[in-house]
Amino acid sequence: AQSVAQPEDQVNVAEGNPLTVKCTYSVSGNPYLFWYVQYPNRGLQFLLKYITGDNLVKGSYGFEAEFNKSQTSFHLKKPSALVSDSALYFCAVRDGGDNKLTFGGGTRVLVKP
Amino acid sequence: GAVVSQHPSWVICKSGTSVKIECRSLDFQATTMFWYRQFPKQSLMLMATSNEGSKATYEQGVEKDKFLINHASLTLSTLTVTSAHPEDSSFYICSARDPAGGPSLGYTFGSGTRLTVV
Repeated sequence: AQSVAQPEDQVNVAEGNPLTVKCTYSVSGNPYLFWYVQYPNRGLQFLLKYITGDNLVKGSYGFEAEFNKSQTSFHLKKPSALVSDSALYFCAVRDGGDNKLTFGGGTRVLVKP
Repeated sequence: GAVVSQHPSWVICKSGTSVKIECRSLDFQATTMFWYRQFPKQSLMLMATSNEGSKATYEQGVEKDKFLINHASLTLSTLTVTSAHPEDSSFYICSARDPAGGPSLGYTFGSGTRLTVV
């Protein structure tokens, strides 16, 4: 069975500072990894994904994520956070042979001006 | 890009009544749709996978007689919460997969439905 862990319920960061949201995963096969962002009472917006290739993936709105196979991690990063980045972030995994996504518990990001 | 429309955005219903939520893929045909439930400050819990023309596959612990899922066409899936009770109050999100793929591998999410049962 596949699973995702986001160890931090909330991350606080000052505007302009680097932002990191942590994610670790467990799958039996090759992982397909995703990051999504959710604003209040809204659906999920896709940020980026990793399937294969370069371990550093660049996505929307200046976000990037680094795939680390040995640590089974896929942390989301942004070099300079904006107040508008304040939202709920979800990491998700799909086992290569499966069709459904399994989500982590979510991390609330609060960027203070 | 792929768009999934979910209606209604919010609904309030009386205990004991049924509520139907629609999920439509607007610009692609979705052979597979997914229904999630999200509790306050919690993650998305997959309820079921809906395949066009066949019965939905429910996750363990989800009552299929209570949460009826119909995927009658390649662009429409519906979730009906039958005999709703206050504990069914939640945020329900659908997702549709575009087999053509795309940046998100085709996974596109609706904007969600806030259900409140009084």
